[in-house]
Amino acid sequence: GEDVEQSLFLSVREGDSSVINCTYTDSSSTYLYWYKQEPGAGLQLLTYIFSNMDMKQDQRLTVLLNKKDKHLSLRIADTQTGDSAIYFCAERPDTDKLIFGTGTRLQVFP
Amino acid sequence: DTEVTQTPKHLVMGMTNKKSLKCEQHMGHRAMYWYKQKAKKPPELMFVYSYEKLSINESVPSRFSPECPNSSLLNLHLHALQPEDSALYLCASSPETHEQFFGPGTRLTVL
Repeated sequence: GEDVEQSLFLSVREGDSSVINCTYTDSSSTYLYWYKQEPGAGLQLLTYIFSNMDMKQDQRLTVLLNKKDKHLSLRIADTQTGDSAIYFCAERPDTDKLIFGTGTRLQVFP
Repeated sequence: DTEVTQTPKHLVMGMTNKKSLKCEQHMGHRAMYWYKQKAKKPPELMFVYSYEKLSINESVPSRFSPECPNSSLLNLHLHALQPEDSALYLCASSPETHEQFFGPGTRLTVL
């Protein structure tokens, strides 16, 4: 099947905003998610958006959803060095089934 | 207790060994999951248990055998693994809603 696509790498300066993009495959997915994975660790659920929403804001995180283009983005405001990690988007095409994106490595430099 | 725990953290085994991975959650979640994650790749779903019954098996080889003895515990029994099975094995659980919460993983090396 098709992959859920993300750009491989993003490098930003501390204090700037980061935008991580994701193109998903299944237009019937009811929820879309963003997870964070630090080196050698499990996945941390950051936020999610219901498919009938265009935008969701949660503190420094803003999720934008364009259903027509099947495009999801995560904006991190005031990016900090602790935000350095791999970020995965995920779609939920079926109950209990998550399909993860290819992952974006975010590097924050001072 | 609001987390998913996994033991052991690291495991090294030979191709003829039998070992088990363990996952626990005490949040009353109804579903538990096993994922496999190879280096620099996204997690891939292996198995799902919903209300202690196996509901999804993603065509995983029989050398991986899941078990859900009760609603808080999920095991993954390993037998006759291959070196290409070396990976990070992640457990997750889910309440009645849609979110999945992950444990820290077991890093498995097969020699």
